[in-house]
Amino acid sequence: GQQVMQIPQYQHVQEGEDFTTYCNSSTTLSNIQWYKQRPGGHPVFLIQLVKSGEVKKQKRLTFQFGEAKKNSSLHITATQTTDVGTYFCAGIRIAGGTSYGKLTFGQGTILTVHP
Amino acid sequence: NAGVMQNPRHLVRRRGQEARLRCSPMKGHSHVYWYRQLPEEGLKFMVYLQKENIIDESGMPKERFSAEFPKEGPSILRIQQVVRGDSAAYFCASSPQRGYEQFFGPGTRLTVL
Repeated sequence: GQQVMQIPQYQHVQEGEDFTTYCNSSTTLSNIQWYKQRPGGHPVFLIQLVKSGEVKKQKRLTFQFGEAKKNSSLHITATQTTDVGTYFCAGIRIAGGTSYGKLTFGQGTILTVHP
Repeated sequence: NAGVMQNPRHLVRRRGQEARLRCSPMKGHSHVYWYRQLPEEGLKFMVYLQKENIIDESGMPKERFSAEFPKEGPSILRIQQVVRGDSAAYFCASSPQRGYEQFFGPGTRLTVL
């Protein structure tokens, strides 16, 4: 079945440092979504990438979708303590079949930001 | 527009009892997904339902677990004869269509004693 691997599992940074998490799928994806989960909270949707090679920015966050639509990354510039949480990528397989719509989540990267 | 609602937020059961978790999707959303999350782990897909139909249950354990999404009322995830290994956070999410962003509820934290 489809697998989505995410690295690193943990990342500790000093406030102001940059942070990147990487996501790789075993199969080509239709699109990829990113979620953030604060400690004790629930996942919150951040963004969806659909096109090959797509790059999207949200303030200090930059999201990329690989040319082959099998990998993605999230980069945070100048981290702040409010960035603390777990960042998940989630892939949706190519459209078609009953599985379409089902998200396969990566294991997540737990980000700790030290003030 | 209320978000995804789940209840109860916390549920404690003894081994062998039944657990019923409820999820009301966002208004206008007919696609519901259930996920399980263990501490410091990712979200594991369990089941995908669309009104009255199970679309994909490939993540559901073969025994003791069932899910439904009736025409009227919330989606229900039912766990019969719970065991300690069922202790986890169970999240429900909804979307307006397949492949769209999913909106998550606050989750139900199940503890099996």
